[in-house]
Amino acid sequence: GDSVTQMEGPVTLSEEAFLTINCTYTATGYPSLFWYVQYPGEGLQLLLKATKADDKGSNKGFEATYRKETTSFHLEKGSVQVSDSAVYFCALSDRNTGNQFYFGTGTSLTVIP
Amino acid sequence: DTGVSQDPRHKITKRGQNVTFRCDPISEHNRLYWYRQTLGQGPEFLTYFQNEAQLEKSRLLSDRFSAERPKGSFSTLEIQRTEQGDSAMYLCASSLGLGEQFFGPGTRLTVL
Repeated sequence: GDSVTQMEGPVTLSEEAFLTINCTYTATGYPSLFWYVQYPGEGLQLLLKATKADDKGSNKGFEATYRKETTSFHLEKGSVQVSDSAVYFCALSDRNTGNQFYFGTGTSLTVIP
Repeated sequence: DTGVSQDPRHKITKRGQNVTFRCDPISEHNRLYWYRQTLGQGPEFLTYFQNEAQLEKSRLLSDRFSAERPKGSFSTLEIQRTEQGDSAMYLCASSLGLGEQFFGPGTRLTVL
């Protein structure tokens, strides 16, 4: 079945450091890939997405490229800010199997000044 | 557009009691999904509706769980004879067809 494996945390970085959170997936079809963010006390928010191989999703300085050959969708940001402190979830959905999401376990990021 | 809303936001109950949660999706969205998120884990799919039809249920959805969407608008999730292992955040999401899913703020259930 479909699944997502996500880099375990927690991750602690200094402000302006480079961020990478690894995500790999297993899917029987042709999924869309997503990164969601959950700030403390809040619900899930879509950060970025990519719907087909080689697509790059980007938002708020974050980027992730859909790599079919390595079944990966790693999240990157060149210079993190304190306000980026949150839990990040990688997820996939497949239109051919109901479009429900399969989430990774989440990676907690703390950015210190 | 007020987004997806869920009620209540928090529920504390004693083991063995029944609880019911409500989700109001974005008004024009025909698909509605329920997920469960336990501490330190990502959300796990429970079930989804297209209009009033419940099209898929995860094996996580035991016989004690039942979900309805009687008029294709709001949905309820009921848990009978709650157990401590049911303690989790219950998330609802909605979408227009196979489009982007929008998540509600969740209902946090604590079973004592």
